[in-house]
Amino acid sequence: DIVMTQTPLSLPVTLGQPASISCKSSQSLVRSDGNTYLSWLHQRPGQPPRLLIHTISHRFSGVPDRFSGSGADTDFTLKISRVEGEDVGVYYCVQLSQSPITFGQGTRLEIK
Amino acid sequence: EVQLVESGGGLVQPGGSLRLSCAASGFTFSDHYMDWVRQAPGKGLEWVGRSRNKRDSYIAEYAASVKGRFTISRDNSKNSLYLEMNSLKSEDTAVYYCARDCAHWGRGTLVTVSS
Repeated sequence: DIVMTQTPLSLPVTLGQPASISCKSSQSLVRSDGNTYLSWLHQRPGQPPRLLIHTISHRFSGVPDRFSGSGADTDFTLKISRVEGEDVGVYYCVQLSQSPITFGQGTRLEIK
Repeated sequence: EVQLVESGGGLVQPGGSLRLSCAASGFTFSDHYMDWVRQAPGKGLEWVGRSRNKRDSYIAEYAASVKGRFTISRDNSKNSLYLEMNSLKSEDTAVYYCARDCAHWGRGTLVTVSS
């Protein structure tokens, strides 16, 4: 199974400041079709996860442009350009390139 | 609009069984892989298994932690996905989500395994 490792696990951020989360996979996520199926999810307490980014860098419908994704192969990053109050919660990277689907441990973002 | 609605959760004793359902709408159900993902209290997300789409013969796949105990099926005439859970253990206690491509999620249904 592909292991997904996120850092940091806790991320205190001041409102209006940027934030960055790293996600590393134990194997390349490039699939035979040439695509890399790495997504980022956000989960608020008591809510289901919500997709932010898919295939490394594509924002899902309705996701603000302060969220961006980058990376390649085994190394990926989620960036928030200016953190807002509604961004608190847990962020997960997830790989869908190979079965079984595997998730990172989650990064908890809180406002300082 | 894609909608996924889970049902069937509840309290069950260790060793017992439960069947979860996921009602899907807003898309052509048979065209899509469908996943079950669970989240134990205060923990992260864990993939449970999936039903592939029509093109891939609706083959079911399972996480090692549930293989042999859980069965995933679907009824395309009812746009529904199912998770039959047998020999339940306390560590199966979680909110169970139905998801499509990790892009669309239901609100989840809570399964509690306890005596």
